[in-house]
Amino acid sequence: GAVVSQHPSWVICKSGTSVKIECRSLDFQATTMFWYRQFPKQSLMLMATSNEGSKATYEQGVEKDKFLINHASLTLSTLTVTSAHPEDSSFYICSASGTAEHQPQHFGDGTRLSIL
Amino acid sequence: GQNIDQPTEMTATEGAIVQINCTYQTSGFNGLFWYQQHAGEAPTFLSYNVLDGLEEKGRFSSFLSRSKGYSYLLLKELQMKDSASYLCAVTDSNYQLIWGAGTKLIIKP
Repeated sequence: GAVVSQHPSWVICKSGTSVKIECRSLDFQATTMFWYRQFPKQSLMLMATSNEGSKATYEQGVEKDKFLINHASLTLSTLTVTSAHPEDSSFYICSASGTAEHQPQHFGDGTRLSIL
Repeated sequence: GQNIDQPTEMTATEGAIVQINCTYQTSGFNGLFWYQQHAGEAPTFLSYNVLDGLEEKGRFSSFLSRSKGYSYLLLKELQMKDSASYLCAVTDSNYQLIWGAGTKLIIKP
């Protein structure tokens, strides 16, 4: 149980393109979904936390107009990187946790984004 | 501030036992998680401790002492596939998850 599906796995696109990444909880309802970014050989960095039906809470230094997050249902959250540039190239990972207390975050497989 | 400390890197031998320590100072405590992350992959959940003591799951065990702000992950009968980063994470009083930087475990034959 507790499967989180994330896609696409890989995206390579030109600078200026907007890229949408989907995160789905397949077998549980995810009250909260999290979006992380990880640069090579560095720690996970939390970008934002989203609760179903409400606006996402962004971490300090993360541009909310550049990284648009939508959590429209209890099983789906999307991250859109708008007008992506080479410095946005990174490994983006979503996670989701269920409704009960003390639930672990379960991670999607991540999306490797390369902006040329 | 909130802080989680774990060693940056450890090396162990195949078949041996290794203990990865984690100490934390957080505003409140609502549980501690251990995750495994292989290079280039997303983290996978290993264990959860909220009460003091040892939780055993096959070759992996996790221990917690809340009074000492301390946990360890114990890996037995090490296999080459256990080479990965091991992340310690603590949920604070606001249920925010605070992540450690991870311990890179290198297994040698």
